[in-house]
Amino acid sequence: DAGVTQSPTHLIKTRGQQVTLRCSPKSGHDTVSWYQQALGQGPQFIFQYYEEEERQRGNFPDRFSGHQFPNYSSELNVNALLLGDSALYLCASSPTGMNTEAFFGQGTRLTVV
Amino acid sequence: AQSVTQPDIHITVSEGASLELRCNYSYGATPYLFWYVQSPGQGLQLLLKYFSGDTLVQGIKGFEAEFKRSQSSFNLRKPSVHWSDAAEYFCAVGARAGNNRKLIWGLGTSLAVNP
Repeated sequence: DAGVTQSPTHLIKTRGQQVTLRCSPKSGHDTVSWYQQALGQGPQFIFQYYEEEERQRGNFPDRFSGHQFPNYSSELNVNALLLGDSALYLCASSPTGMNTEAFFGQGTRLTVV
Repeated sequence: AQSVTQPDIHITVSEGASLELRCNYSYGATPYLFWYVQSPGQGLQLLLKYFSGDTLVQGIKGFEAEFKRSQSSFNLRKPSVHWSDAAEYFCAVGARAGNNRKLIWGLGTSLAVNP
C-alpha cells in the first residue's frame, strides 16, 4: 500500500501565478482533506472532499479551490498566488465516518516569490 | 469556538528523562482527540487517538495520553525519552464535518532531546 502520495514535493511560483497540487489517497479511502501549514504553525483546514463534492470549508478565500475525481484522488488549486500562500500543503485521506483516522502525505512545499 | 491550545512552544529534555506535553481543547461535544508527530521533512504520523472508553490511551513508540474531561486536557507522556523522539508534536481535535471529521490543530510543541 503506497499510502497517501502528493505531488510535486516542492514548487516555486511567482506572485499572481496559479498552482495545482495533487493527492492520491490511501487505498480504500474515499475522503480527502487539505491543510495548509505555514512555517512554525499548526496545520489549518482548507476543505474536505467526499463523493466528488466539497463538503466542508475552512476560512480560506475563493482563490483556493479543489476537485475530487471518481478514483478519489484530489487536486488543490490556488489562483492569484500571494507571498503569504507560501506553506506546506498537506493532504489527508480517510474512510468515510466519524470514528476514522486520517493518514497524511508528505506534503507539497510551495514557495511564492 | 473549537480550538486546541498547546501551552509549551518548545521543550528540551535529557535523553532518558520523562516527558509530558500539554494539550487543552475547547469543543462543545464529546471530543475525538489525536496526537501527531512531525519529524523534519516528514509528514504527520499518528501517535495515538482517543474516541471513547478508557481515558488512558496507549500509542506507538512508547507514548501514552490521558483524557481528562474535567480539565479539557489530553496530555501526552513518555516515561523515557530517546534522542529519536526529537520532533514537532501536534495535538488535534476531530470536529464534525458532515459525515466525517476535520482536524483542528494546536500550534505544536517542538521537542529537543539532549544527549
